[in-house]
Amino acid sequence: DTEVTQTPKHLVMGMTNKKSLKCEQHMGHRAMYWYKQKAKKPPELMFVYSYEKLSINESVPSRFSPECPNSSLLNLHLHALQPEDSALYLCASSQEWGGSTEAFFGQGTRLTVV
Amino acid sequence: GESVGLHLPTLSVQEGDNSIINCAYSNSASDYFIWYKQESGKGPQFIIDIRSNMDKRQGQRVTVLLNKTVKHLSLQIAATQPGDSAVYFCAEMGGTSYGKLTFGQGTILTVHP
Repeated sequence: DTEVTQTPKHLVMGMTNKKSLKCEQHMGHRAMYWYKQKAKKPPELMFVYSYEKLSINESVPSRFSPECPNSSLLNLHLHALQPEDSALYLCASSQEWGGSTEAFFGQGTRLTVV
Repeated sequence: GESVGLHLPTLSVQEGDNSIINCAYSNSASDYFIWYKQESGKGPQFIIDIRSNMDKRQGQRVTVLLNKTVKHLSLQIAATQPGDSAVYFCAEMGGTSYGKLTFGQGTILTVHP
């Protein structure tokens, strides 16, 4: 199983809503990532978790709140987002953080903030 | 042909041709590189990787070349097929960007039957 599963696939939310994006992997990977991708742009790193601890926060606004409940799950809690936060949010995992091993990506959640 | 500008670089080829996609990376200390393929509406899919102690690596129909002197990476796809049409990203990791997989701009490959 080399799959990273993200739910939901699509999400429309208002600027006052609270929602969560979910990511799951069962490959035994100990590093998990959140990326944001705008149209026609490359993915940009937001957060890195290693062994369920936050290792990197790329100066992401606090309206994005990551959580890693266990080694297989990664959540991204959303609150008071802006329309410019509309994007494809990608989750990825790799065997170890910082090691030269490939990162597997999920299919992403297409988020629209209205 | 290939064009670079304000938009993503594009490469158009005929089915059966060989394709070469180029990438200039920024961090001379990067020691690990990956090529990803991203189809419309999907997440990036791993194609091939290479470590900095190598200058060439081959996979099935794909070859990655690394030139550390000029910080250049290329992806060669042999006998390109319509199913290869996608956006291709190079990504780098290492050095001062420890643990951060940083993506290049991307190239749109279109394969005409």
